[in-house]
Amino acid sequence: QQPVQSPQAVILREGEDAVINCSSSKALYSVHWYRQKHGEAPVFLMILLKGGEQKGHEKISASFNEKKQQSSLYLTASQLSYSGTYFCGTRGGGGNKLTFGTGTQLKVEL
Amino acid sequence: DAGVTQSPTHLIKTRGQQVTLRCSPKSGHDTVSWYQQALGQGPQFIFQYYEEEERQRGNFPDRFSGHQFPNYSSELNVNALLLGDSALYLCASSLVDRRQGYTFGSGTRLTVV
Repeated sequence: QQPVQSPQAVILREGEDAVINCSSSKALYSVHWYRQKHGEAPVFLMILLKGGEQKGHEKISASFNEKKQQSSLYLTASQLSYSGTYFCGTRGGGGNKLTFGTGTQLKVEL
Repeated sequence: DAGVTQSPTHLIKTRGQQVTLRCSPKSGHDTVSWYQQALGQGPQFIFQYYEEEERQRGNFPDRFSGHQFPNYSSELNVNALLLGDSALYLCASSLVDRRQGYTFGSGTRLTVV
């Protein structure tokens, strides 16, 4: 029941935009987004909650479709520092564990 | 403000041995979750601790056990190590409030030979 992310990998030129999708097969209470650079810890980007509440970094935007159990992360005007692997994490209504997705590798080039 | 601290950073063990990994959560956090991350994959949930109790457990064998102390720090113990246990072990701390994100430590890289 691991969430599925798409695309698996994407290469951008600096300044371009990207969308990363996360899809779950079960009803969700919340979706988290994290970025992990090689050899480093995942860093929290955003949380989207059932009912519409969102918390996260100002320059990051995301959406959460509760009915479709899907979330999308929008990266606009990409910078070199955006490079890394992006993971979504999903949590069901009755549980405490956060289940991470398959990951999306993003590389931003000059 | 110190984040999540994990120790040791790297560890090499022999098959069959036992290992203990340690985690100090971010100041103010009361919940600790442990994850195993294989190379190129997403973190896999091992278990979560709150108020010194295991709240939920992932699909890991009983060889994996944990503990949370009154100061919220936590340990992950793995017995009878297998080659397949080689991975990055991440500790994440949070508030019990499920509307908050996690803060991860840099992890312990465990190699079983």
